[in-house]
Amino acid sequence: QQQVKQSPQSLIVQKGGISIINCAYENTAFDYFPWYQQFPGKGPALLIAIRPDVSEKKEGRFTISFNKSAKQFSLHIMDSQPGDSATYFCAASSMASGTYKYIFGTGTRLKVLA
Amino acid sequence: KAGVTQTPRYLIKTRGQQVTLSCSPISGHRSVSWYQQTPGQGLQFLFEYFSETQRNKGNFPGRFSGRQFSNSRSEMNVSTLELGDSALYLCASSSEGANVLTFGAGSRLTVL
Repeated sequence: QQQVKQSPQSLIVQKGGISIINCAYENTAFDYFPWYQQFPGKGPALLIAIRPDVSEKKEGRFTISFNKSAKQFSLHIMDSQPGDSATYFCAASSMASGTYKYIFGTGTRLKVLA
Repeated sequence: KAGVTQTPRYLIKTRGQQVTLSCSPISGHRSVSWYQQTPGQGLQFLFEYFSETQRNKGNFPGRFSGRQFSNSRSEMNVSTLELGDSALYLCASSSEGANVLTFGAGSRLTVL
């Protein structure tokens, strides 16, 4: 019940295309859903996040779509660029014992071809 | 504002040895969490410290331990290393009540 399932494991997209990464969760106590972006040799960095009271959040070319009833959320990268090539992690968190507990997906390695 | 600093960045150990990794959080951040990253497994939560106390712990064996100092710097220790402990160990800090983790670049441990 604590898992966050992420797919696909890897993704290759042409420059200018749309990249879509999906995540599913089971624990309805989760109330914060961030996406992290990790470049080689770097730690993950927060990209965009959403709370379950909204169905979509957009920041530039990055959009999170959230389906509360299906317990699924996805990251869409519009007009994908070679600089977007990185590993993306979805996560879900909830407050417990005075702190936010995070569960991360297994990651998606995105490669955008020039 | 300096980010999260982890040392060492790379290290090689042999089975049976022990290792200590260090993490300096962002100034003012009192919560430090540790994660193990391996291919295919994503980020697995090890433990979280706040004000020198372990507040949460993941499902790792007792060989994995940590501590936090009064200046919020944290260390994690892995004893009796196994080949499967080879991974990138990430430290993340956050401010009290904030729901944002800021990660360091990690310490890559290779166990031979």
